[in-house]
Amino acid sequence: DTAVSQTPKYLVTQMGNDKSIKCEQNLGHDTMYWYKQDSKKFLKIMFSYNNKELIINETVPNRFSPKSPDKAHLNLHINSLELGDSAVYFCASSQDRRVRGYTFGSGTRLTVV
Amino acid sequence: SQQGEEDPQALSIQEGENATMNCSYKTSINNLQWYRQNSGRGLVHLILIRSNEREKHSGRLRVTLDTSKKSSSLLITASRAADTASYFCATAPMDSNYQLIWGAGTKLIIKP
Repeated sequence: DTAVSQTPKYLVTQMGNDKSIKCEQNLGHDTMYWYKQDSKKFLKIMFSYNNKELIINETVPNRFSPKSPDKAHLNLHINSLELGDSAVYFCASSQDRRVRGYTFGSGTRLTVV
Repeated sequence: SQQGEEDPQALSIQEGENATMNCSYKTSINNLQWYRQNSGRGLVHLILIRSNEREKHSGRLRVTLDTSKKSSSLLITASRAADTASYFCATAPMDSNYQLIWGAGTKLIIKP
């Protein structure tokens, strides 16, 4: 059983398109995250939800919008994709909002052409 | 924002040797965590050390924490080819709004 699963694994799309990445965790965790990892492997937090409540909303373009329909799901919608959005996006979860160990998904490699 | 800095950026050793990676950080922390990332995969949590702990072991992993120097080290003993990966440290700052602050990672290559 995959603990944190995100789909799709690969996403190639043209500039200007709108796309979504889905994430689901079956660990019963309360808190979920979206991270962006650039080509130099830097990890940058984008958003975090705790029990469907947004608790971290870093400075990202408002073209990025997270949605958490329930605490097991956190989706990421991206409007008007740009070349600079190309990266690997990771979903992660943790038991609660206290900063302890995270469980990561396997990532979505987004390529904007 | 990046708080941690891993050192070295890259490390290549022979299988069977020990590998040591270091992490430095800037602010007071609640805990420090180490993660492994295999190529093309997600990060895997290895070990968490609290600010009041000095050393922790897990299998072939040994982590030390020196809060006076704001630094940590990860030692992998008797390395194996399967240990080839990038290793990241992440800190939970005391004044954090519930987020980890990540270093840039050390790329470890174990030569068979």
